[in-house]
Amino acid sequence: RKEVEQDPGPFNVPEGATVAFNCTYSNSASQSFFWYRQDCRKEPKLLMSVYSSGNEDGRFTAQLNRASQYISLLIRDSKLSDSATYLCVVIHAGNNRKLIWGLGTSLAVNP
Amino acid sequence: GAVVSQHPSRVICKSGTSVKIECRSLDFQATTMFWYRQFPKQSLMLMATSNEGSKATYEQGVEKDKFLINHASLTLSTLTVTSAHPEDSSFYICSARPATSSSYNEQFFGPGTRLTVL
Repeated sequence: RKEVEQDPGPFNVPEGATVAFNCTYSNSASQSFFWYRQDCRKEPKLLMSVYSSGNEDGRFTAQLNRASQYISLLIRDSKLSDSATYLCVVIHAGNNRKLIWGLGTSLAVNP
Repeated sequence: GAVVSQHPSRVICKSGTSVKIECRSLDFQATTMFWYRQFPKQSLMLMATSNEGSKATYEQGVEKDKFLINHASLTLSTLTVTSAHPEDSSFYICSARPATSSSYNEQFFGPGTRLTVL
C-alpha cells in the first residue's frame, strides 16, 4: 500500500464548478500536510498547507481529518487556469522529515 | 522569492554516456538540497538528500555509484547520471531548503531537467 494515496482522476469539470479531492495517508505519525500544484512538465508549486482546524485561501479550502487519516482540497468557482495536477504531500516525524508525495489528481476545467 | 535554477532544462544523450545536471540556489544559501525523479504519470520520488560538505544520503533502491551527487557549496549541487540507459529517461527535479529555514517543508523547486536517453 502506498503511503499517500490519491484518486488520479482525471476530473473534468465546467468553469464555475466546485470540485473536491481527497487524499489518504497510511502513517499515523504523519505531522505535516500540504497540497501542491503541478502543471504539465513543470516543477510542483506549494498551493497551501493543511491545518487540523481547516484553512481557506480564496477559492481553496483544505481540511484534515486525523482520525480517518485523510486530507481534502475543495476548489470553488473553478477557473480554466486551475487545470493542473494536485499533489498531496505528507511529512512524518520518523522519516528524516522527507516529503512523501501522492501520485496526484488531474483536474481539467473546461469552458 | 527564492529562486532555484537547473541546467540543462533538457538533454538528449546516447546510451552509455554520462550526464551532469546542476542545481543552483540563486538568492539564498542552501545547506540541504534534494534530488527527485518523476516518471510519466508517476509521483515524485526522492532519490537522495544532499548536504553541503558531506556525503549524500540515498533512498533505498537508488544506486549511489550510478547517481553521483556533489554538494560542494551552499548554492550548488550536481547530479551526474553515469552510463545512462534508456530506463534512466525521466524528469529530474531538485529542490533546495534555505539554510535559515525552520520549516521542514520549505523547499524551493528547480524547473526540472528532462533527460532522454536513446
